[in-house]
Amino acid sequence: NAGVTQTPKFQVLKTGQSMTLQCAQDMNHEYMSWYRQDPGMGLRLIHYSVGAGITDQGEVPNGYNVSRSTTEDFPLRLLSAAPSQTSVYFCASYMNTEAFFGQGTRLTVV
Amino acid sequence: DQQVKQNSPSLSVQEGRISILNCDYTNSMFDYFLWYKKYPAEGPTFLISISSIKDKNEDGRFTVFLNKSAKHLSLHIVPSQPGDSAVYFCAAIPGNNNNDMRFGAGTRLTVKP
Repeated sequence: NAGVTQTPKFQVLKTGQSMTLQCAQDMNHEYMSWYRQDPGMGLRLIHYSVGAGITDQGEVPNGYNVSRSTTEDFPLRLLSAAPSQTSVYFCASYMNTEAFFGQGTRLTVV
Repeated sequence: DQQVKQNSPSLSVQEGRISILNCDYTNSMFDYFLWYKKYPAEGPTFLISISSIKDKNEDGRFTVFLNKSAKHLSLHIVPSQPGDSAVYFCAAIPGNNNNDMRFGAGTRLTVKP
């Protein structure tokens, strides 16, 4: 049972490049979300999904897109990376109110 | 605006002593509170939670206290162990939107042998 798996663990992008952060869970959880962690800010919700085919915006959605074609996968897309998107990104899936987090992706945009 | 605040970025305690981590919130709609623990290069893991209908929840060495009138909660770790050294995040969920979990900035706990 792998839980929540995020890839890649580290990534450096140039400003304007695009990329997709992958997230997969094998716990059959309906609810998944993406957070970013910045110093002094805690974790802030970017987007979330309450089930396949359903997504919605969180606290800081600008610059990010998501889709949920299956229960297992919830990728996060950066269409045109900006230095302000330098952060650590965490994907989570939920059983009731308890969140299970992936190991995180450290993204640097130069 | 930061609706969940952890005003102490760091805390250092001696092994065997009590660790007290504090959290304040501003949104009176929050009715469920959680603590997460995070080691370096890992994702946060769930530690303990409390519903707003309770004022205390205990799980082994970990106890969470909730003071609704003061909009304050605290996590007590007794006795503290070196393996407890980590960053602790406080989180809160409003009763009207289970999807909107808000986190504090975290407190880095160091337990010295």
